[in-house]
Amino acid sequence: AQRVTQPEKLLSVFKGAPVELKCNYSYSGSPELFWYVQYSRQRLQLLLRHISRESIKGFTADLNKGETSFHLKKPFAQEEDSAMYYCALSVYGSARQLTFGSGTQLTVLP
Amino acid sequence: EAGVTQFPSHSVIEKGQTVTLRCDPISGHDNLYWYRRVMGKEIKFLLHFVKESKQDESGMPNNRFLAERTGGTYSTLKVQPAELEDSGVYFCASSQSQGAGNTIYFGEGSWLTVV
Repeated sequence: AQRVTQPEKLLSVFKGAPVELKCNYSYSGSPELFWYVQYSRQRLQLLLRHISRESIKGFTADLNKGETSFHLKKPFAQEEDSAMYYCALSVYGSARQLTFGSGTQLTVLP
Repeated sequence: EAGVTQFPSHSVIEKGQTVTLRCDPISGHDNLYWYRRVMGKEIKFLLHFVKESKQDESGMPNNRFLAERTGGTYSTLKVQPAELEDSGVYFCASSQSQGAGNTIYFGEGSWLTVV
C-alpha cells in the first residue's frame, strides 16, 4: 500500500527566507504527486501537481523517484504563505483516491 | 461556479445518535469522494462514487457508515450509531473525470463532534 510521509508537523520561517516542506512517499508503481494547501478558514485546494511541472505562487516541487521525494520549495517566503500544506499521492491512471500525508503547518513570521 | 458544498458545517451529537452529512458536488462532476480526518490523524479516503455507483468503498471504517448518491447528484454520509472516535472533519470532493491531470475539488468540510 502507498504511504506519504511529511516529517515536520510545524515549520516556521521568517519572511523572505527560503522554505522547503518535505514529502517522501512509498509506492512501488508510478504515482502522481500533489501538494494541497489549506489557508485559515478556507477549503483544501490544489497547489500544484508533479505532472504539470509548474510554479504556483512561487512554489515549485520536483519529483525525485530515486529518493522517492516531492519536496515543496519557495525561495522567498511571504506571510500569506502561512497555511497547512498536505502532500498527496494517487495511483497514476487509476481511480483518483488520494493518500495524504499528515500535513505541515507553515508559519511565516514577519 | 459554485464549489463543492457540504452541510452541516458543524454538528455536535451524543454517542449513539445518528448524523447525516450532505454533499453537493460541482455541477457536472460525475466523481464524488468522501474523506475524513479524525483527531491527530491523516486525511483518509472513505469512498468514491461514479455517478450513483460506488466505485471504491475500501476506506469505509465499518458498517456504521452508509453513503448514498441517489440519482448521481448529491451524496449523503450517515453515521449510525455515532461513536466518540467518529469525531473529526468529513470532507467531500468531486472531479469531472478520473484521468491524469484532472483536479479534485474539496468542500469546506463538515466538523463532527461526538460527545
